[in-house]
Amino acid sequence: GAGVSQSPSNKVTEKGKDVELRCDPISGHTALYWYRQSLGQGLEFLIYFQGNSAPDKSGLPSDRFSAERTGGSVSTLTIQRTQQEDSAVYLCASSFDQGRETQYFGPGTRLLVL
Amino acid sequence: RKEVEQDPGPFNVPEGATVAFNCTYSNSASQSFFWYRQDCRKEPKLLMSVYSSGNEDGRFTAQLNRASQYISLLIRDSKLSDSATYLCVVSRSGTYKYIFGTGTRLKVLA
Repeated sequence: GAGVSQSPSNKVTEKGKDVELRCDPISGHTALYWYRQSLGQGLEFLIYFQGNSAPDKSGLPSDRFSAERTGGSVSTLTIQRTQQEDSAVYLCASSFDQGRETQYFGPGTRLLVL
Repeated sequence: RKEVEQDPGPFNVPEGATVAFNCTYSNSASQSFFWYRQDCRKEPKLLMSVYSSGNEDGRFTAQLNRASQYISLLIRDSKLSDSATYLCVVSRSGTYKYIFGTGTRLKVLA
């Protein structure tokens, strides 16, 4: 079946511009995660959605970052007024349930802020 | 101290060699453990879950030592295609957060 998809695969933007990153999780997966991975670094948790519960936004690095998940499916991560330090790979993952289940990752969006 | 720690490597081994990685975790409430594999410029993919009794999948064996709070991954008869970064992942009981290690890089040489 279809895996997690993300778009765009690559995004180059100028400092100060806003960007939107999209994630389509695997159908039926209730849990959705956003991570950031900088060059040579581990995965940094950003935000978590589970069903209709309030999201856990504790990993968002600043108020320039926000995310939403519409209808319990597609999610959008928005970065406002991008900075050069926002350059990274943004990975989305989904799982059937929380905590004990395998996470399936999308291919990521490579963001470069000039 | 990081909650999940791994030796970054790289581990350079010849084809056919056996190689082992360890990963230590600091939170004793951790309940679920996984090894993921990440190829260069690709997304992480599940390699195997780690069970209390240990588990084996072909050339790969994973073990959990709760007393010492570490998990291990053993790769036997290394192949060139095993070259990748291996991520240790830990999940705490009753939570949904997965904590990723920074990964151990393996290079299998011809």
